[in-house]
Amino acid sequence: GAGVSQSPSNKVTEKGKDVELRCDPISGHTALYWYRQSLGQGLEFLIYFQGNSAPDKSGLPSDRFSAERTGGSVSTLTIQRTQQEDSAVYLCASSPDLGRNTEAFFGQGTRLTVV
Amino acid sequence: AQSVTQLGSHVSVSEGALVLLRCNYSSSVPPYLFWYVQYPNQGLQLLLKYTSAATLVKGINGFEAEFKKSETSFHLTKPSAHMSDAAEYFCAVSETGTYKYIFGTGTRLKVLA
Repeated sequence: GAGVSQSPSNKVTEKGKDVELRCDPISGHTALYWYRQSLGQGLEFLIYFQGNSAPDKSGLPSDRFSAERTGGSVSTLTIQRTQQEDSAVYLCASSPDLGRNTEAFFGQGTRLTVV
Repeated sequence: AQSVTQLGSHVSVSEGALVLLRCNYSSSVPPYLFWYVQYPNQGLQLLLKYTSAATLVKGINGFEAEFKKSETSFHLTKPSAHMSDAAEYFCAVSETGTYKYIFGTGTRLKVLA
């Protein structure tokens, strides 16, 4: 596709259930990022990938959160035993490479609501 | 650690008036700075970026930003606001030593007719 694609666009889940959020980056982009956007909180870094490895996962809030990337392409963010405080918009971004002056291209996000 | 601070979570301007959105950064090394815009229900889109080539950076949609080292600022401006500029704007810095972007808390711009 032409841009970063995220699915689902909206997800409502019951507290305690597991959820998987998917990100399809722009073809050929080696770097992939996950951010969380909560109301009034700006964007919170979660994790980034270079290829299939995750050099920095320092932003994952707890061990209930995990992410993987396969084939240097699609990434999945998994949240286990969801809590109400996990409700947020989860944004994925990709960039052609890792570099301090490299632009990140963002998807439209997955809005997660935990009830 | 590097950080950015955006003053004013909400800014309102009249159509045709000057837009000024403030961003101050904290960095012990030359920073790489970005402005992104987020329209309702959309992802973030790059407006412009500073990479030390020039202190005045021109971006899309008539926006520009000036890097001022003495003031540790990277404020975003547009001479004449348009209704279509209504959105949320984020300032970001690329962190040294890692490759993650550190974002400010955002400024929501409202344009009044």
